[in-house]
Amino acid sequence: DMVMTESPATLSVSPGETVTLSCRTSQHINNDLAWYQQKPGQPPRLLIYGASLRATGIPARFSGTGSGTEFTLTISSLQSEDSAIYYCQQYNVWTFGRGTKVDLK
Amino acid sequence: EVQLVQSEAVVKKPGESLKISCKGPESSFFSYWIAWVRQMPGAGLELMGIIYPSDSDTKYSPSLQGQVSISADMSISTTYLQLTSLKASDNAMYYCARAVAFGEFSGYLDSWGQGTLVTVSS
Repeated sequence: DMVMTESPATLSVSPGETVTLSCRTSQHINNDLAWYQQKPGQPPRLLIYGASLRATGIPARFSGTGSGTEFTLTISSLQSEDSAIYYCQQYNVWTFGRGTKVDLK
Repeated sequence: EVQLVQSEAVVKKPGESLKISCKGPESSFFSYWIAWVRQMPGAGLELMGIIYPSDSDTKYSPSLQGQVSISADMSISTTYLQLTSLKASDNAMYYCARAVAFGEFSGYLDSWGQGTLVTVSS
């Protein structure tokens, strides 16, 4: 079975900093990966699909890179509203990672 | 982005059944797959299945096959998730989402409903 590993589990950062979240898959998935943001009490929101394509309305400070088995989500100039849990999801069988919680200091 | 509106939170007793709904825009409902996703308290996301309302083609997560039922009523642009023989382990938030689907059972989710909280308690 596919294993998705997101790291770190939790991250505490200051506003204005740049954050890099990692998602690794146990099998090659080309660029069939999406990233979601979920704030408390809200449904998830699609940020990135196709590993690097920003969804409609997503600010340019969110960027995705990677292919194969290693992927990253970078949030540049972190803002207070970016405090959330970030999930990666590989397309096949719609498998989600466990998420990375980003807290602001 | 597509607006999906889900039914309200529900409280049920163990052993009971429930059916929750997700209504989409009539203008485009026939051309999208709709997914149902479960999120248990404090936990991550798990896709349960997807349906193509236009012809009710339905595909379920292999790990949940037989435990849930997904259906659609095109006349009111609504999909349903039915759970039977409810247990405490069914306590969760359930989301519907528009699925951009590929191949046999893959894709991503680009618009989400607001969620329906299901509480199973005696």
